[in-house]
Amino acid sequence: DAMVIQNPRYQVTQFGKPVTLSCSQTLNHNVMYWYQQKSSQAPKLLFHYYDKDFNNEADTPDNFQSRRPNTSFCFLDIRSPGLGDAAMYLCATSTTSGRGAYNEQFFGPGTRLTVL
Amino acid sequence: ILNVEQSPQSLHVQEGDSTNFTCSFPSSNFYALHWYRWETAKSPEALFVMTLNGDEKKKGRISATLNTKEGYSYLYIKGSQPEDSATYLCAFSGTSYGKLTFGQGTILTVHP
Repeated sequence: DAMVIQNPRYQVTQFGKPVTLSCSQTLNHNVMYWYQQKSSQAPKLLFHYYDKDFNNEADTPDNFQSRRPNTSFCFLDIRSPGLGDAAMYLCATSTTSGRGAYNEQFFGPGTRLTVL
Repeated sequence: ILNVEQSPQSLHVQEGDSTNFTCSFPSSNFYALHWYRWETAKSPEALFVMTLNGDEKKKGRISATLNTKEGYSYLYIKGSQPEDSATYLCAFSGTSYGKLTFGQGTILTVHP
């Protein structure tokens, strides 16, 4: 089945130690998103890629970066994780319509990040 | 700042009960309203994408309605089953350009 895969499912890192979360997709979708969900809160969009174009949300901290080396893979890099960055990180993908509108998003199962 | 609110925050029902929950969202600049079901350890799964005022969508025992003028959507589950236990998320889109603003979810637990 075509899907969105996130690895690892659980990640533990130390305060200040850089960490990378991975997302891959077999859907061949041109848009990929990263969301952060802290406990009991709404998932919050951090940024997305439209093809190779990176679109950052205005309130996403500089500590969070992303890379998309090809259509299938997208990475979330946290340069210096703080205790407040512990959260579930969700990756999603979508296509776009002929007029550029973004279509339905398909999600991976998430990576739960713990910062010690 | 867009406000998308879901209520209740959590809900416990008995198997066979029917239940419903609410998503409220801004009534201006509406593009689409999405409902997702998120079971523990799985990916959020899209239930409905609703775009027109007055839309009603149905999938099995689950249905949803949309009122864009007053800014709310209801999700109904008829005859709840334990496998319906999940977090139900709604997400508002104010433009065609991809950004979803989520509510915090309603956690549904169906007891056998």
